[in-house]
Amino acid sequence: RKEVEQDPGPFNVPEGATVAFNCTYSNSASQSFFWYRQDCRKEPKLLMSVYSSGNEDGRFTAQLNRASQYISLLIRDSKLSDSATYLCVPNTGNQFYFGTGTSLTVIP
Amino acid sequence: DTGVSQDPRHKITKRGQNVTFRCDPISEHNRLYWYRQTLGQGPEFLTYFQNEAQLEKSRLLSDRFSAERPKGSFSTLEIQRTEQGDSAMYLCASSSYRDTNYGYTFGSGTRLTVV
Repeated sequence: RKEVEQDPGPFNVPEGATVAFNCTYSNSASQSFFWYRQDCRKEPKLLMSVYSSGNEDGRFTAQLNRASQYISLLIRDSKLSDSATYLCVPNTGNQFYFGTGTSLTVIP
Repeated sequence: DTGVSQDPRHKITKRGQNVTFRCDPISEHNRLYWYRQTLGQGPEFLTYFQNEAQLEKSRLLSDRFSAERPKGSFSTLEIQRTEQGDSAMYLCASSSYRDTNYGYTFGSGTRLTVV
């Protein structure tokens, strides 16, 4: 089983829509989690950290379900600038395993 | 600029040549990581250092790859006898041991093309 699995998409949503991505992880010892955003041909940038059951930052909400070993990212009121690839990353302590990412395109 | 810097940004080399990339982490970060990313994939872990010690290497890091961080500051990644399959973006990231819960900060990467 892969360390991290994400639906690669692509997700094409209209501006203003709400979209959610799921990510499953295999290492039950993971204590914290990250969502990174990566624009085309750019480096990943940290979007959100999750340490307990979830985290909310403006239009972005991350929720963690430890029993089922998945983490989700919800984006409300999507903007054109949200178009990117979203990478799920469980923190196993020494290094991060990145998922393949979920591609989002917000359409005008 | 206090971010992670990588040099060069782009490198085109002929198959069989050796290449070396440099990474300068954020100055107060004692952990430094190398990742490789190919199109459509997430970053794949290669190796990481805590200070000058190389603590873990991925099986992806064949004997043609070597990384150093001699003084616990900047790091180099060398690829010997490059192959076309080495074409990828090589990403460097750094973090503070005490603040790993805050994630990594990545550099802009070095894009390698082997022709």
